[in-house]
Order: sequence, then C-alpha cells, then structure tokens
Amino acid sequence: AQSVTQPDIHITVSEGASLELRCNYSYGATPYLFWYVQSPGQGLQLLLKYFSGDTLVQGIKGFEAEFKRSQSSFNLRKPSVHWSDAAEYFCAVGRPSGNTGKLIFGQGTTLQVKP
Amino acid sequence: EPEVTQTPSHQVTQMGQEVILRCVPISNHLYFYWYRQILGQKVEFLVSFYNNEISEKSEIFDDQFSVERPDGSNFTLKIRSTKLEDSAMYFCASRGEGREQYFGPGTRLTVT
Repeated sequence: AQSVTQPDIHITVSEGASLELRCNYSYGATPYLFWYVQSPGQGLQLLLKYFSGDTLVQGIKGFEAEFKRSQSSFNLRKPSVHWSDAAEYFCAVGRPSGNTGKLIFGQGTTLQVKP
Repeated sequence: EPEVTQTPSHQVTQMGQEVILRCVPISNHLYFYWYRQILGQKVEFLVSFYNNEISEKSEIFDDQFSVERPDGSNFTLKIRSTKLEDSAMYFCASRGEGREQYFGPGTRLTVT
C-alpha cells in the first residue's frame, strides 16, 4: 500500500539551530516527492519537489531535501532555523504517471522554534 | 503571483443541509483537486478532475459528494446532505503541465 510516514509529530528547536524533518514512504515505484508547509490559518505552500536527477534539491526559504532511494526517504533540512519557520510541515508523494497526480500525505510534523 | 482562492473561509451548517464549497484555480491550470483534513489527521485526497470529468476519486468521495466546473474559472465541491463527520478543512488544489499542485487556503466546514 502507498503510504508516507513522518515519524516526528512534534519537534522543538532553538532559533539558529539546524533542523531535519524525517519522511519515509512506501510506494510501488519512485514517486514524485514534495514538502509543503502550513502556517496557522494558511493553506499548504510548496517548499520543494523532487522528480528525478540530482537527489539533493533546494527549495524556498533556505530549505533543502535529500532523496535516498535505498532508504525510501526524503528528509527536509535547514541549516539555521528562524522563528518564522514555526509551522506544520507535510511530506507528500505522487504517482509518476497518469493524469490524476493524486498526492498522499504524511501526518505532518509541527515545528516549534524557541527564541 | 497567481494563487488558488477558496470561499468561504469558514462555513457552518446543520446536519442534513447541502453545502457548496467554491474554488478559483490558477487560470491556466488544467487539473483540479479536492482534499480534506479532519482536525488532527492527515490531509486526504478526495477527487481529481480533468477535462470536465472526474479522473480519480477516493472511497471517501461517495454519492453525497459531487464536483463541477460550472464556468471557465470556478471549481466547486458539493456535499448534498452533510454529516457531523464531514466537519473538516477542505482544500482545493490545481496543477498545470508540471507535477506540482498549488493549494488554496482552505474552507473550514463545521457541521452541527
């Protein structure tokens, strides 16, 4: 069955510290991979995406993610967290073919940033 | 920058009533989606729509749900007879030729 797991429901980091949010997926083939961020009262904003090629992808707001096929993982990283990064982060996977492009989401990780 | 918009931001309705949630996708996009997020749970796919017909739907999307693109700009989700368990945040998304979907801010539906 297709699924996405974000093992950490809640993470707290100090401002300026580095961040890694974990994402593991189960899928029949290499999927398209996405990270979205949801700030309170806001919709889902696309942070970055991986389709193919270089396994380290850069996104907006200084985020990056690395695709590791052997581990079925797509972890999100940021070298230095800012207070404005406090939000909920969702990893999602999509089908690599077909017209629907349905996304399957993980349960989300809530990031709290301490001053 | 183009964005997906949704109205209303919050809808309160009584059980058994019909609701229509509205979305205006990004103007040159071709693929349209509805997702929902029950409080504290995952974002779940409901339905995808392409070329004026449903291309895929989840098991959640039963006969009580329907979608429509009544004109060139709007994309609607109708729930015919709402149940308490339909209370959730409903997100509309659209996609162009790429594989990334762009989401609206959501409509919070509360069924009492």
